[in-house]
Amino acid sequence: ETGVTQTPRHLVMGMTNKKSLKCEQHLGHNAMYWYKQSAKKPLELMFVYNFKEQTENNSVPSRFSPECPNSSHLFLHLHTLQPEDSALYLCASSQGQGSSNQPQHFGDGTRLSIL
Amino acid sequence: QQPVQSPQAVILREGEDAVINCSSSKALYSVHWYRQKHGEAPVFLMILLKGGEQKGHEKISASFNEKKQQSSLYLTASQLSYSGTYFCGTESNSGYALNFGKGTSLLVTP
Repeated sequence: ETGVTQTPRHLVMGMTNKKSLKCEQHLGHNAMYWYKQSAKKPLELMFVYNFKEQTENNSVPSRFSPECPNSSHLFLHLHTLQPEDSALYLCASSQGQGSSNQPQHFGDGTRLSIL
Repeated sequence: QQPVQSPQAVILREGEDAVINCSSSKALYSVHWYRQKHGEAPVFLMILLKGGEQKGHEKISASFNEKKQQSSLYLTASQLSYSGTYFCGTESNSGYALNFGKGTSLLVTP
């Protein structure tokens, strides 16, 4: 139990579907992150939110749309994805974006498969 | 710019030691180490800040050489539970997002 909960754990969708990934943290943190983890590639940072404000968008295609309604919840809305988007999507949180001495706490991830 | 980890994979017998390296081409402010077991979330191990300090966590410790822009993770007297993929995340300036390496797969066998 890491204090960061992601749902669903697994998702299979077609390229024309619209779905959302959800992340909730119970740690009282102010910063939340979305990462993409593909096989044999490093963790790729997608988005960062600090106090509900998006502070980083790492050149992510517009078919991924994040939403952070409050400091405890983070969503990733998916629309018309491509097969290469199949991956494990990890959510993380930390106490403030300044990560120098603040560890990130990760959820178990959503395994996404695009048909 | 992502750091480079070496080795890519290592297999140990229980009780043996291992070293995992993390190198960057840019000056570093901090290095974070995480371990991820298959099907689970990455788990935080330790953070090393600029200053060349060494940290320990049970039988796992790490060093940070800011001049060489690299960090090393030391696993001594390895246990079966140490198996997993180890990632380093580097921060080039305070407050910037982490860049992660590709990971080092560690397998400890009985």
